[in-house]
Amino acid sequence: GAVVSQHPSWVICKSGTSVKIECRSLDFQATTMFWYRQFPKQSLMLMATSNEGSKATYEQGVEKDKFLINHASLTLSTLTVTSAHPEDSSFYICSAREVRSSTNEKLFFGSGTQLSVL
Amino acid sequence: GEDVEQSLFLSVREGDSSVINCTYTDSSSTYLYWYKQEPGAGLQLLTYIFSNMDMKQDQRLTVLLNKKDKHLSLRIADTQTGDSAIYFCAESTSGSARQLTFGSGTQLTVLP
Repeated sequence: GAVVSQHPSWVICKSGTSVKIECRSLDFQATTMFWYRQFPKQSLMLMATSNEGSKATYEQGVEKDKFLINHASLTLSTLTVTSAHPEDSSFYICSAREVRSSTNEKLFFGSGTQLSVL
Repeated sequence: GEDVEQSLFLSVREGDSSVINCTYTDSSSTYLYWYKQEPGAGLQLLTYIFSNMDMKQDQRLTVLLNKKDKHLSLRIADTQTGDSAIYFCAESTSGSARQLTFGSGTQLTVLP
């Protein structure tokens, strides 16, 4: 089946530094990828929709200058948490949309990245 | 906006059936999904059901949909220790897998 690779799996960083998370679709092209954030015991919250070759669409309340998204190729989207602070500590997970036909598409998820900001 | 709710925890004995429940608010939900998240792993799609169906069975999994009450359930027959995970229900109104609204997830613990 389709595989989405997300790296790193976990990262610890100092407050004020930037962290980049990569999401790759390994065996299909994904024009659309999604970034989610998950707090403990809470639901996955969609942060933004990443579109290849164009600007990402951010959900209400998500700071686009804080969470930079780049989708430069059909197989790679990156999320950069800029000037990270402890409140940014969370589990971030990406998903990639595989379009098989006009009526058949599926989402595949990465394994997630646990970010801890000290 | 859309809201999807699940209970946080469920414990069952190995070999028993597990039933995980989910309620949603958006009456225009078209697709309803169940995902499984094992520790340190990504979400894995288990099964999904169209809103014009009321039941779907796939091996040990049975999904029941009560559209009138906006209630979705996932039944796992003969639950095994390997079924211990967090189960998320999710809904989509777009008719495709573009965007999903997730529940908070139910932690299923299978006791020996």
